[in-house]
Amino acid sequence: DAKTTQPPSMDCAEGRAANLPCNHSTISGNEYVYWYRQIHSQGPQYIIHGLKNNETNEMASLIITEDRKSSTLILPHATLRDTAVYYCIVPIYNQGGKLIFGQGTELSVKP
Amino acid sequence: ETGVTQTPRHLVMGMTNKKSLKCEQHLGHNAMYWYKQSAKKPLELMFVYNFKEQTENNSVPSRFSPECPNSSHLFLHLHTLQPEDSALYLCASSRLTLGLAEAFFGQGTRLTVV
Repeated sequence: DAKTTQPPSMDCAEGRAANLPCNHSTISGNEYVYWYRQIHSQGPQYIIHGLKNNETNEMASLIITEDRKSSTLILPHATLRDTAVYYCIVPIYNQGGKLIFGQGTELSVKP
Repeated sequence: ETGVTQTPRHLVMGMTNKKSLKCEQHLGHNAMYWYKQSAKKPLELMFVYNFKEQTENNSVPSRFSPECPNSSHLFLHLHTLQPEDSALYLCASSRLTLGLAEAFFGQGTRLTVV
């Protein structure tokens, strides 16, 4: 997998936007960026993915820079239930589904 | 509810016991995975099955033995485990597609070896 770098932890006030950055400078042209999250002691949950365009779904928005070397996951109105570890992953192109997890970013949403 | 079901949710076993973890998915996926997550550590990929064939074993000790009888079921047979094997064991499934990696995870089995 292309190596990704994320800050180990972040805090966010409840109701505010949470912006989680990820660097993936070695990403190839046909590789997607995936985001998952893991709430304490549960299985990881898919959030969103993108290739080059910005993406939005009911959970979050994904902003990918034009050079594709970094991206930002945005939770527009963070709630206490969004407290989790967030993983940015760039899977190997021809190994669909196989995910290698790093340390991720531990997001704490505070009241 | 992710469509991937793991049983049991919790398991306590002695070092001389033999037990099995079960994973089931009815999502039509053709790839299944076992991950291990020890306390305060990232998920570690253990085994990968594509179309019921094992395609990856990430240097997992032989006391862990996977079995994939069909594309909907995956087992992890455990024997002669050590206390350091205590962890959350997660199963996942996905549809093999070039470039895409949307995997669905079960809730995991919390294993304690005593």
